Amino acid sequence: GQQVMQIPQYQHVQEGEDFTTYCNSSTTLSNIQWYKQRPGGHPVFLIQLVKSGEVKKQKRLTFQFGEAKKNSSLHITATQTTDVGTYFCAGYGYGGATNKLIFGTGTLLAVQP
Amino acid sequence: DTAVSQTPKYLVTQMGNDKSIKCEQNLGHDTMYWYKQDSKKFLKIMFSYNNKELIINETVPNRFSPKSPDKAHLNLHINSLELGDSAVYFCASSHGHRATGELFFGEGSRLTVL
Repeated sequence: GQQVMQIPQYQHVQEGEDFTTYCNSSTTLSNIQWYKQRPGGHPVFLIQLVKSGEVKKQKRLTFQFGEAKKNSSLHITATQTTDVGTYFCAGYGYGGATNKLIFGTGTLLAVQP
Repeated sequence: DTAVSQTPKYLVTQMGNDKSIKCEQNLGHDTMYWYKQDSKKFLKIMFSYNNKELIINETVPNRFSPKSPDKAHLNLHINSLELGDSAVYFCASSHGHRATGELFFGEGSRLTVL
């Protein structure tokens, strides 16, 4: 079945450093979404990318969808303590999997002040 | 008003017992989901209903039985609980069910089976 992996599994940075998490799907995705889950909280939607090669920015966050629509990345510039949490990518497949949002394995970001 | 609300937030129970989790959304969405998040934070889809109709039923033991009395409610009943059922169960909703839109999650129900 469709699998979505993320690396790294865990990243510890000093406040002010940059951070990137990478997302790779075993199959082509129709679109990709990113969610953030604070410790003890629930996943909260950040953004959706649909087009091949698409890049979107939200303040210090930059999201990219790969040309082949099988990978994506999230880059955070100058991390802050409020960025702490687990970042998940999630994708819809094609064909019979179009109604199933499959979540990646997640990257836990720790930010030291 | 909470958009997606789940009750209870915490359940602690013995192996072999039966328990239910309730979920309600006031967003007017027509699709609702149950996701299971294990201790490693993996989020795995279990079930999805669209307008009360079951559209996703992943490889989940028969001990898990979802019920959707209307499109705003989705409940999860678990029979004969096992240690491996310990997890956080998230309810979510979305508008539409075909590769569209974001999911709105409830706060989760943490189930601990002793």
